[in-house]
Amino acid sequence: RKEVEQDPGPFNVPEGATVAFNCTYSNSASQSFFWYRQDCRKEPKLLMSVYSSGNEDGRFTAQLNRASQYISLLIRDSKLSDSATYLCVVIGPLDTGRRALTFGSGTRLQVQP
Amino acid sequence: DTGVSQNPRHKITKRGQNVTFRCDPISEHNRLYWYRQTLGQGPEFLTYFQNEAQLEKSRLLSDRFSAERPKGSFSTLEIQRTEQGDSAMYLCASSKEANQPQHFGDGTRLSIL
Repeated sequence: RKEVEQDPGPFNVPEGATVAFNCTYSNSASQSFFWYRQDCRKEPKLLMSVYSSGNEDGRFTAQLNRASQYISLLIRDSKLSDSATYLCVVIGPLDTGRRALTFGSGTRLQVQP
Repeated sequence: DTGVSQNPRHKITKRGQNVTFRCDPISEHNRLYWYRQTLGQGPEFLTYFQNEAQLEKSRLLSDRFSAERPKGSFSTLEIQRTEQGDSAMYLCASSKEANQPQHFGDGTRLSIL
């Protein structure tokens, strides 16, 4: 079983739609959680950290459910520019010292006009 | 722009050749990470440095791979006797401290003929 699992998609949604992605992680002792965004043939860029209480940044809302070991990302009023691959990222318990990132395979979003 | 810089951007070489990539992290970032990403997958951790010390290597890093960060600034990743399976995007990331966000470079795309 992969440490971090995501639905690869693609999610094809019209502009203005609300779309949600989920991600599950295998190790219940994982420490930190993030969503990264990666455009085609570009480097990953940090979108937002995910906190236990849930957090919002503009149109983006991230939530963490430790009991069920999943993380979600909600995008409201989606824009064409939101089209990208969204990577779920975890820092596992063994990574506390090194802080290396464990990535999911990514969920591709295509926002259509 | 003082972001993470990697070169070359692309490298095409024949199987069996040696290749070396360079990463210049953001100035004063103590931590430097190398990741590898293949098509349709998220990046995978390879190794990391705290200043000039290489603190850990992933099991993905075979004996053909070696990384250095001699003065705690730039880093090189060398692959000896390249194989088809080495074809991937090699990403470098740096962070100021262990708990700070990692910033990625554009990556070096390696193609083995």
